[in-house]
Amino acid sequence: EPEVTQTPSHQVTQMGQEVILRCVPISNHLYFYWYRQILGQKVEFLVSFYNNEISEKSEIFDDQFSVERPDGSNFTLKIRSTKLEDSAMYFCASSSHGGVEQFFGPGTRLTVL
Amino acid sequence: RKEVEQDPGPFNVPEGATVAFNCTYSNSASQSFFWYRQDCRKEPKLLMSVYSSGNEDGRFTAQLNRASQYISLLIRDSKLSDSATYLCVVRWTGFQKLVFGTGTRLLVSP
Repeated sequence: EPEVTQTPSHQVTQMGQEVILRCVPISNHLYFYWYRQILGQKVEFLVSFYNNEISEKSEIFDDQFSVERPDGSNFTLKIRSTKLEDSAMYFCASSSHGGVEQFFGPGTRLTVL
Repeated sequence: RKEVEQDPGPFNVPEGATVAFNCTYSNSASQSFFWYRQDCRKEPKLLMSVYSSGNEDGRFTAQLNRASQYISLLIRDSKLSDSATYLCVVRWTGFQKLVFGTGTRLLVSP
């Protein structure tokens, strides 16, 4: 069964450093998403990406964040200057079309010290 | 503001029991509804979509009441492996993002 994969599974970084989280969506999917979940809180939407551009983003997704699809398979989330409050689990998701079920990767746990 | 509300639980039930969760959502301009399950420190996994006429998948039944703006999930004959957090998820018309509830924790005991 096809699945979304994410690397690394855990990333530890110092405050102010840049991090790049990587995702490989399901191969025939066209829509890609990033969500995050701070420990003990609900899953929150960050951004959606379609046809090589951002189609929707939340208030959380400020200028510190960027997304890219550098090649035909990878989808990345970059945080330019991490803050302590960026510590969370970051989930990548993909869907075949907009508005249908989204399938989530196993997540990257980001710890900012 | 578009919100999804759930009772956080936990719901403690014995194996074999039937348990039901409800979820309310704040805006009637909603489009799609889903139940996901999430195990501790794992990703949300799609359990089932929720259709207007209600739908069933084995031991799981989902229902939607648009007039009252709530969604329910019924689990029959609970198994130990059903222990997880059940997330009510809504996608509003015109948006791609999924909006998650806080989840309802279910603990099934022997």
